[in-house]
Amino acid sequence: EAGVTQFPSHSVIEKGQTVTLRCDPISGHDNLYWYRRVMGKEIKFLLHFVKESKQDESGMPNNRFLAERTGGTYSTLKVQPAELEDSGVYFCASSPLWGPGTDTQYFGPGTRLTVL
Amino acid sequence: AQRVTQPEKLLSVFKGAPVELKCNYSYSGSPELFWYVQYSRQRLQLLLRHISRESIKGFTADLNKGETSFHLKKPFAQEEDSAMYYCALSGTGFQKLVFGTGTRLLVSP
Repeated sequence: EAGVTQFPSHSVIEKGQTVTLRCDPISGHDNLYWYRRVMGKEIKFLLHFVKESKQDESGMPNNRFLAERTGGTYSTLKVQPAELEDSGVYFCASSPLWGPGTDTQYFGPGTRLTVL
Repeated sequence: AQRVTQPEKLLSVFKGAPVELKCNYSYSGSPELFWYVQYSRQRLQLLLRHISRESIKGFTADLNKGETSFHLKKPFAQEEDSAMYYCALSGTGFQKLVFGTGTRLLVSP
């Protein structure tokens, strides 16, 4: 079974540009989470989808960040316009709503974003 | 406030030595505690959780509610244990994980 996948693995953009990160959760996982690790700091929660609905977006830093999960499958996280402090590694995680493994979040490999 | 504290950024031990990675937490309620591990060039993965009371790869962790701690222990470290270890907590239900800053464990031969 394929794990959580994220695209791209790396992205280098200039300040003011737009970047869209994509996450494909494990098939059948209705919970989808976005996290971010800024250099030298802890991994921080951004938001949580249950299917296509935003369950908790308390960690979104500001309105330059827009997350979507149309159809309840893959999710995108758009940063527009990007700022220097947005640099970091963005992780996606998923978990099922029912059955075994509901208390385990399965992480993707992350997208390393560098804003110059 | 929800907080996880891992006081050590780096823990360096020799193979065969005991290991203890410290984790303290702050949470108003009954949290679920986890240890996640990231090996070199691999993704973050769950190592163990307190509710399972299991031993994974020789590691154990006991939740001490009085001291609000969830330290990770292994009696005899192996070189393949070298990795980044993150302590994390969440509330009940499908809630976000709150992570510590992580401890890098380096096991030398």
